[in-house]
Amino acid sequence: EVQLVESGGGLVKPGGSLRLSCAGSGFTFSHAWMTWVRQAPGKGLEWLGRIKSKIDGGTVDYAAPAKGRFSISRDDSKNTVYMQMNSLKTEDTALYYCITVSLEGALENWGQGTLVTVSS
Amino acid sequence: QSVLTQPPSVSGAPGQSVTISCTGSSSNIGANYNVHWYQQVPGTAPKLLIYSDTNRPLGVPDRISGSKSGTSASLAFTGLQAEDEADYYCQSFDASLNSWVFGGGTKLTVL
Repeated sequence: EVQLVESGGGLVKPGGSLRLSCAGSGFTFSHAWMTWVRQAPGKGLEWLGRIKSKIDGGTVDYAAPAKGRFSISRDDSKNTVYMQMNSLKTEDTALYYCITVSLEGALENWGQGTLVTVSS
Repeated sequence: QSVLTQPPSVSGAPGQSVTISCTGSSSNIGANYNVHWYQQVPGTAPKLLIYSDTNRPLGVPDRISGSKSGTSASLAFTGLQAEDEADYYCQSFDASLNSWVFGGGTKLTVL
């Protein structure tokens, strides 16, 4: 069974940083493309970025809200993907999901999310 | 303002049929990029419901279907059931933004 467990969320002041982690199991992590999506309270889904598998180049693409502030990386030896978030703003307050990407580009398996609250 | 436009809400009585639309443009759905649909029951993580326009993952009943034409896609329910009450999101790729994009979501209420 595919499992994704996010961690690293919490309360942070505006301008602060957080690093989210997502540990995967039940699938060949090194072959998987991974992505992050967030959902602000009471709002819809917002795509943040995606990292390809190393065999596919390992490149990372970001959505506009994440460019320049967020950085996605992976450690296949730990079956973990990370998202470093810097210069956090109150509007970054959201539940952050880690997801596997299918060959067709669908967001196939979702974690339960980790909550990030940016507030003074 | 979402790149993909969905109605905020739809509703139907048990047993009825309802459709949720997802309208894009020539840089996403109209460019023939795959459309995927997700179901989110309140308080839970989204779940993949339809992938690549029309395909159902294992476990999704065949009374739920997806279609695509031109710059729009649709998610259809026949024989509506109480368990279908949830939020639904469409997703595709936008070439002009070089980004995956979501619709704003549609709340389906089973009356």
